[in-house]
Amino acid sequence: AQKVTQAQTEISVVEKEDVTLDCVYETRDTTYYLFWYKQPPSGELVFLIRRNSFDEQNEISGRYSWNFQKSTSSFNFTITASQVVDSAVYFCASRGGSSASKIIFGSGTRLSIRP
Amino acid sequence: DTEVTQTPKHLVMGMTNKKSLKCEQHMGHRAMYWYKQKAKKPPELMFVYSYEKLSINESVPSRFSPECPNSSLLNLHLHALQPEDSALYLCASSQDQAEGIGAEAFFGQGTRLTVV
Repeated sequence: AQKVTQAQTEISVVEKEDVTLDCVYETRDTTYYLFWYKQPPSGELVFLIRRNSFDEQNEISGRYSWNFQKSTSSFNFTITASQVVDSAVYFCASRGGSSASKIIFGSGTRLSIRP
Repeated sequence: DTEVTQTPKHLVMGMTNKKSLKCEQHMGHRAMYWYKQKAKKPPELMFVYSYEKLSINESVPSRFSPECPNSSLLNLHLHALQPEDSALYLCASSQDQAEGIGAEAFFGQGTRLTVV
């Protein structure tokens, strides 16, 4: 069974601050995938990144960076120099390695960036 | 192009009505999904189709009936719903190739359903 835990329900920071969103996962699969999605008020879930279980390389994309650590079963997401447009609910998710398997979401972290 | 199109965007229906939600993707994806999302909650998986066959049903009540007419289309037929079924219904698709390429799902904008 898979489980994704996002312990931070809500985070509020002032614009230009750095913020890290935590994600802890549980899985029995040897091959699995982890994701981050952004859900702005409009409702659409926007895919941000996928990480494969066999690739622990961290990734940076502009102001976004992701830290994947199998030793602690964590896949944390950092926004550097936050902007008001980053305000949204962010979901961490996971799925197993088999085709068309379930994508299970964490409870989400509501991020508010104050001007 | 990573577009998944859902219609309608909003739907209000009575408890005795029959309606359908539609989802379309032209990315050649092999897997398609229906999720239900209540306010301030994460999306909950309802159904998964793989190669046009139902592969996962998360014990969804029979008043929700999925259909996959072809590889690009996914429908969700609704009948005799209850007010507690009011939610955002999200459709998604994924490529599902080897080594995780395309394991991520792309979501439509959703249908906001209100049952009165």
